[in-house]
Amino acid sequence: KQEVTQIPAALSVPEGENLVLNCSFTDSAIYNLQWFRQDPGKGLTSLLLIQSSQREQTSGRLNASLDKSSGRSTLYIAASQPGDSATYLCAVIGAAGNKLTFGGGTRVLVKP
Amino acid sequence: DAGITQSPRHKVTETGTPVTLRCHQTENHRYMYWYRQDPGHGLRLIHYSYGVKDTDKGEVSDGYSVSRSKTEDFLLTLESATSSQTSVYFCAITDPTYNEQFFGPGTRLTVL
Repeated sequence: KQEVTQIPAALSVPEGENLVLNCSFTDSAIYNLQWFRQDPGKGLTSLLLIQSSQREQTSGRLNASLDKSSGRSTLYIAASQPGDSATYLCAVIGAAGNKLTFGGGTRVLVKP
Repeated sequence: DAGITQSPRHKVTETGTPVTLRCHQTENHRYMYWYRQDPGHGLRLIHYSYGVKDTDKGEVSDGYSVSRSKTEDFLLTLESATSSQTSVYFCAITDPTYNEQFFGPGTRLTVL
């Protein structure tokens, strides 16, 4: 059974610092990996999707890497801003390509 | 944003009453999902559908049933609500291009 872990559960950084969020998974036979953002009381917003054949994906200040063999993905957010404060979740889609398994999320606070 | 709506957005009900939550999509995608999100448990899959009248169980399906009579609508029913079903319920769809999942805004359900 796939298990997805995100450590730490919470993170606080001063504005301008780069954020590094970690995600690990136990079964490397994944279809793809997806990073989400969730603001309090809101739904999930898809940030980045990395296909299993890719090593990284970038969107603006966000960059996500994927190392399938070690079961790890990292989300980098450059030059953090208070508006980046949210919970970030990673999820893997299994090899069948139809079901996500979520990590517990990392709650980020960026202090002005 | 993916065209996903959920209704109702908030509901308070009493133990033992039936409750139906609706998810509606305008994307004509084949796969639809119901999740629940609880503190300490993260997001967990309840049921999913891979086509009209085609559904399957997720990891926490006990006490829930689903129906999909049209591509655009996926209904989640609690036949006899219990306090343990107090949660935030999210619907999601999968864009088949890269199997990226998109989420609806959520329904906050309170069972007294």
